[in-house]
Amino acid sequence: KQEVTQIPAALSVPEGENLVLNCSFTDSAIYNLQWFRQDPGKGLTSLLLIQSSQREQTSGRLNASLDKSSGRSTLYIAASQPGDSATYLCAVVDDYKLSFGAGTTVTVRA
Amino acid sequence: NAGVMQNPRHLVRRRGQEARLRCSPMKGHSHVYWYRQLPEEGLKFMVYLQKENIIDESGMPKERFSAEFPKEGPSILRIQQVVRGDSAAYFCASSPDRLRANEKLFFGSGTQLSVL
Repeated sequence: KQEVTQIPAALSVPEGENLVLNCSFTDSAIYNLQWFRQDPGKGLTSLLLIQSSQREQTSGRLNASLDKSSGRSTLYIAASQPGDSATYLCAVVDDYKLSFGAGTTVTVRA
Repeated sequence: NAGVMQNPRHLVRRRGQEARLRCSPMKGHSHVYWYRQLPEEGLKFMVYLQKENIIDESGMPKERFSAEFPKEGPSILRIQQVVRGDSAAYFCASSPDRLRANEKLFFGSGTQLSVL
């Protein structure tokens, strides 16, 4: 059974600082790994998808890396802004089924 | 092109009542997935449906929960005789076909179920 862990559970940083969010998973037999953003009372917004054959993906200020052999992924957010405050979820995909971590709640202080 | 639509956004039920949650997939999508997010926990897979078929219901509680995706209309997640432990956010996602390795999954805004 796939177990997904996200550390830290919460993070508070001043505006402009870079963010580093960690995700680990126990079973390396995955299709891909996705990072989502969840805002309070709202749904999930897909940020980045890294296929199992890839090492990283970038979109604007976001960069995600994947090391399947060690079961780890890291989401980097450069030059954080107050609008980046949200919960970030990591999900490991095996076929059609997503296994989610509990998330990292980020607060960016102005 | 509207996204995945879920209604209602909030649903309040008393213990013992029935809850019906609706999910309309994105246009052209015929595959629907339901996930549940309990307080302080990650989202957990519940069921995967294709039009008129249940593909995988391994995440559904054995009793009181059922799901359908009829030929016409939205997918429905039905919870009979709700209990306080059913209070959670229920999310629906859809895809045009069985999810592929390079394909993102798009979620609706969820239904927050509160059982009094």
